[in-house]
Amino acid sequence: DGGITQSPKYLFRKEGQNVTLSCEQNLNHDAMYWYRQDPGQGLRLIYYSQIVNDFQKGDIAEGYSVSREKKESFPLTVTSAQKNPTAFYLCASSKRPGQGKAGYTFGSGTRLTVV
Amino acid sequence: GIQVEQSPPDLILQEGANSTLRCNFSDSVNNLQWFHQNPWGQLINLFYIPSGTKQNGRLSATTVATERYSLLYISSSQTTDSGVYFCAVSTNAGKSTFGDGTTLTVKP
Repeated sequence: DGGITQSPKYLFRKEGQNVTLSCEQNLNHDAMYWYRQDPGQGLRLIYYSQIVNDFQKGDIAEGYSVSREKKESFPLTVTSAQKNPTAFYLCASSKRPGQGKAGYTFGSGTRLTVV
Repeated sequence: GIQVEQSPPDLILQEGANSTLRCNFSDSVNNLQWFHQNPWGQLINLFYIPSGTKQNGRLSATTVATERYSLLYISSSQTTDSGVYFCAVSTNAGKSTFGDGTTLTVKP
């Protein structure tokens, strides 16, 4: 079955550390996205990528970095510059606009806690 | 950017009741989805509905693109329907903007 996998499910980070969240999809989707969700809030876009080797900042990109070296993979690094990184992180993928039904499929998320 | 407003923010129902959730958006869109977020945080796609009406069991959705709103109907609600319902819209840029969600609580 095709799907999107995020790992780990839970992650603990010490102050000043960088951590990388994994997102892998086997849906043959061109586009991938990272969202952040704080308790009781909606989803806010961090970064997105419409094609390999290209990505754009979303609404809250400061303190985060991404890469898109393979179609299947879109890892997110939470750097020490992100002052309040404790949150639930969700990765999604979709077809690119114009390639047909471009609905999102989400992974199950990673809960990051700063200790 | 595009604004998305969902109403009501919170809804409490008795099991068996019907409900209507609304999503208003501020600009033309070419994609609209409804999601249900379960207690474990998983976002489940309910409908991909940029226009028209769709039904899936006890759930149905209608999007009136020209008037910039969408409605999600839940009939004969069950306790397992509890959770947060999100509307997400996107334009030609592809990236989706989410509303703040409606938190539904269905009591037995």
